[in-house]
This record gives sequence, C-alpha cells and structure tokens, in this order.
Amino acid sequence: AQSVAQPEDQVNVAEGNPLTVKCTYSVSGNPYLFWYVQYPNRGLQFLLKYITGDNLVKGSYGFEAEFNKSQTSFHLKKPSALVSDSALYFCAVRNGGSQGNLIFGKGTKLSVKP
Amino acid sequence: DGGITQSPKYLFRKEGQNVTLSCEQNLNHDAMYWYRQDPGQGLRLIYYSQIVNDFQKGDIAEGYSVSREKKESFPLTVTSAQKNPTAFYLCASSIHGETQYFGPGTRLLVL
Repeated sequence: AQSVAQPEDQVNVAEGNPLTVKCTYSVSGNPYLFWYVQYPNRGLQFLLKYITGDNLVKGSYGFEAEFNKSQTSFHLKKPSALVSDSALYFCAVRNGGSQGNLIFGKGTKLSVKP
Repeated sequence: DGGITQSPKYLFRKEGQNVTLSCEQNLNHDAMYWYRQDPGQGLRLIYYSQIVNDFQKGDIAEGYSVSREKKESFPLTVTSAQKNPTAFYLCASSIHGETQYFGPGTRLLVL
C-alpha cells in the first residue's frame, strides 16, 4: 500500500535561514512525488514534482526538493526563508507504474518569523 | 484565463438537506477529482472521474454522489446520509496521470 509521512506537524524558522520540510514515502513501484503549498482558506498550489532524472528538483518560489531513493525521502528545501513562505505544505506520492491516485501526507505548517 | 473554479466559496447545510458543490475547469483536462480536507488529516479522495460519463469511488465516498456529464464539469452532492459534512472541499483536475491542479475550495458548514 502507498503511504506518505510528514513527521513534523509544524516547522519554525527565522527569516533568512534555510528551511527543510520532511517527507518520506512508501510505494511499490517507481514513485512520482509532489509538493503542494496551501495558504489559509485557499486551494493547493503545485510547487514541484519528481518523476525521473536528476534527484534535485527545482520548483516555484525558490523551493527545491531532493529525491533520495535509499532513504525513501523527498524533503522540501529553500536556502533562505521568507515570512511569506508561511503556509501549510503537503507532500504527495503515487505509483508511477500505474494510474493510481495521489496519496497525501497530513501536512506540515511552516511558520517563518521576522 | 484558464483554471478551475469552485462555487460557492461558503455553503451552509441544514439537517437532512442535500447540497451540491460546483466545480468547473477550462484546462481541457480529462480527469477530475474531489477531495475532503479536515484539520490535521490531509486530503482524502471522495470521487474521481477519468472520462466523461464515468467515475469511481475514492476512499470516503459514502454519503456523497457525483456526475460527469460534461468534460468541464464535475459537481459533488453531499447527501443527508453524510453525517459529518463540515469540511473544506477541494476539486482538482489533471491530464491522465499528470500533475493535479486545484480549485480554490468550498467550505461547507452545518446549521
């Protein structure tokens, strides 16, 4: 069965510091991995995805994520956090070998303080 | 301006009442999805449709119904059988197997 874990309910960072939001996954075949961001009372916005190729994926708003097959992880990173990055972040996975549906993690609330 | 629209933004349901949430997309996507979001639980799939006139149950379909008569539209009805309907409902669409794009959501509240 597919699953996604976001081990931290909340991450707090100071503006200008690097940030990491963690995600680990379990899937039977090759994983397709996604990160989304949600601002209060809004829909989810797509940030980036890993399908195949380079393990370091660059996305919107300066975010990037590193696919690590041996650790089954796909952590979201940004070198320098902004207050405006404060939001809820979701990791999602599906089995790339099938038309299976996306499985979402429970979300991590990122709080960036000035 | 391409995208996914959901209406209304807020919806109030009385006891025993069926209500319908609208989802429209002009992205020419074949697949459409309905999710329910509750605090601390992430997103759970209610129904999805890969093609017009066909749809499948997701993980929490009980108490909900859908139709897919047009490619652009995928309305969700929350029936009186859904005993705990208060949640944020999100619609998404995608090209088959590709990235899902989300609408702005509808918040359903029970009077």
